[in-house]
Amino acid sequence: DSGVTQTPKHLITATGQRVTLRCSPRSGDLSVYWYQQSLDQGLQFLIQYYNGEERAKGNILERFSAQQFPDLHSELNLSSLELGDSALYFCASSATLGGGDTQYFGPGTRLTVL
Amino acid sequence: AQSVTQLDSQVPVFEEAPVELRCNYSSSVSVYLFWYVQYPNQGLQLLLKYLSGSTLVESINGFEAEFNKSQTSFHLRKPSVHISDTAEYFCAVSDWRSGYSTLTFGKGTMLLVSP
Repeated sequence: DSGVTQTPKHLITATGQRVTLRCSPRSGDLSVYWYQQSLDQGLQFLIQYYNGEERAKGNILERFSAQQFPDLHSELNLSSLELGDSALYFCASSATLGGGDTQYFGPGTRLTVL
Repeated sequence: AQSVTQLDSQVPVFEEAPVELRCNYSSSVSVYLFWYVQYPNQGLQLLLKYLSGSTLVESINGFEAEFNKSQTSFHLRKPSVHISDTAEYFCAVSDWRSGYSTLTFGKGTMLLVSP
């Protein structure tokens, strides 16, 4: 158990819909990262938050957004969903801004868009 | 921009045999290197990492990796594998820029250990 929790574990929805994925980091960790894992693209970094502020952006679509709240939990919002958004979404946390820090991964949320 | 290449998508081996999973990276700046492991239906777990110092790093379960700057490689090895080592292994690189970092992963190598 990494100490990172993600809800829900599974999500099935339809094209055009909007969903919210939730992540609670390890106790004391200030950095939260979101990744998308799919068969064709592999593991892709989406976005990083540190202590409530956006710090880095990767291959995140404009239809996707995230935020980190004062209690440090984070939410990833996916809107106007397409079939291609079906993937495993991981949240990870680390103690500081990253670099050599170990990122601890949650168990993931499997999103299926029908 | 940084990138990671894992040369083998799948590596089948027999139990107690040695194994090497290959990883090459490209980056324009100094890097930190990581190996993560993903067991079926689980998240990723850190196996080992290279930050600085000795180029040979070891994990608690018998894996080791050697940082080779001239060949830009960070291959993962284990002298004798177990059935329980069956998993997907991801090599990743992070560069440290002022104020933030990103972790770039390779496509992964599936290690299949059979009796």
